[in-house]
Amino acid sequence: GAVVSQHPSWVICKSGTSVKIECRSLDFQATTMFWYRQFPKQSLMLMATSNEGSKATYEQGVEKDKFLINHASLTLSTLTVTSAHPEDSSFYICSANPAGGTRATEAFFGQGTRLTVV
Amino acid sequence: AQTVTQSQPEMSVQEAETVTLSCTYDTSESNYYLFWYKQPPSRQMILVIRQEAYKQQNATENRFSVNFQKAAKSFSLKISDSQLGDTAMYFCAFISNAGKSTFGDGTTLTVKP
Repeated sequence: GAVVSQHPSWVICKSGTSVKIECRSLDFQATTMFWYRQFPKQSLMLMATSNEGSKATYEQGVEKDKFLINHASLTLSTLTVTSAHPEDSSFYICSANPAGGTRATEAFFGQGTRLTVV
Repeated sequence: AQTVTQSQPEMSVQEAETVTLSCTYDTSESNYYLFWYKQPPSRQMILVIRQEAYKQQNATENRFSVNFQKAAKSFSLKISDSQLGDTAMYFCAFISNAGKSTFGDGTTLTVKP
């Protein structure tokens, strides 16, 4: 149990276009999902906390107009990279915490999305 | 704010031997959770082991065990009988009661045949 599916696994887009990445909890409800960015051989950097039914909370230095987050339901959060540029190329990972219970503080990760902007 | 420090960027170990990865953290919270995650080349984050801060007993999962020293804010991971499949990047993570994670910079572990 506790599977998080992230789609797409990889995407190549042209500079100036927007890209949407989906994060779904398949067998549990998640009131909170997190979006991370990871550069090669580096740690996961938290970008924002996605809360179902309310606005996302962004970490310092993350442009909220650039990285739009929508948490429309208890099983789906989306990250849209708007007007993508080559410097946005990175590996993006989402995680979801089950709502309540003993595993509420355990993060389950999606497979990640490799974004390349050309 | 929480910080997590992994002071060993890279480590290597011979197959079947034991290796310990270090992790220290800093927090003002009293109740929190600590994790070790493994990230193989596929980049999928895999949970290795979990420790609740309120539990004094060190967590163990088969060949993986931790040495949790709450007063020293230390949380090291011991891998016994290392296997080639253990080769990966390992991240120590602190998760607050609110579910927010803070990761260390990672340790790249190579198991040599």
